[in-house]
Amino acid sequence: EVQLVESGGGLVKPGGSLRLSCAASGFTFSGHSINWVRKAPGKGLEWVSSISSGSSYIYYADSVKGRFTSSRDNAKSSAYLQMNSLRAEDTAVYYCARVSQGSTSCYVVDYWGQGTLVTVSS
Amino acid sequence: QLVLTQSPSASASLGASVKLTCTLSSDHSIYAIAWHQQQPEKGPRYLMKLNSDGSHTRGDGIPDRFSGSSSGAERYLTISSLQSEDEADYYCQTWGTDIQVFGGGTKLTVL
Repeated sequence: EVQLVESGGGLVKPGGSLRLSCAASGFTFSGHSINWVRKAPGKGLEWVSSISSGSSYIYYADSVKGRFTSSRDNAKSSAYLQMNSLRAEDTAVYYCARVSQGSTSCYVVDYWGQGTLVTVSS
Repeated sequence: QLVLTQSPSASASLGASVKLTCTLSSDHSIYAIAWHQQQPEKGPRYLMKLNSDGSHTRGDGIPDRFSGSSSGAERYLTISSLQSEDEADYYCQTWGTDIQVFGGGTKLTVL
């Protein structure tokens, strides 16, 4: 069974940093790209970042470019999202999502995690 | 610019059918999309990939009550024999070389 489990969310002050983790199991992690997608309160899904299977291709939404960094450790079947210079508008549930293939960072998302809540507030 | 447009809300009666629409920006009318369902307080769930010719591939465990079709730049999700648990937000998703795009979502109410 494919599982994606996010962790690392919490309350942080504006300007602060947080590192999210995504632990994967039930599939060959190194064969799939991973996306981060967020859902702010009262809003829809918003793509945040994509990282290909070998970390060669990493892309970011304009809203987080320069502040967020995606990475992964295939040996640990884990992906990470380092979030710096956090703003109130970054408050959201952050989801880790598997892409159905590994060579393309951006493609069909076929499995989702349950999400971790990030709250940016003073 | 790659954009997906969805109606904010839809409603249908228990046991009936409903057809949700996702419209691609005009320059991207041949793009494939994916449909996702998000029930209240849960993570999203992948429903299917839908191609421009209407062919579709459902995700693991998705019942055939969920089907897709296409016409021009429009992509449809039809849910038949509506059940109470189908009350959820439905999102379409597409992709470019270096971007993922989600529609704004449609909130489906089952009456």
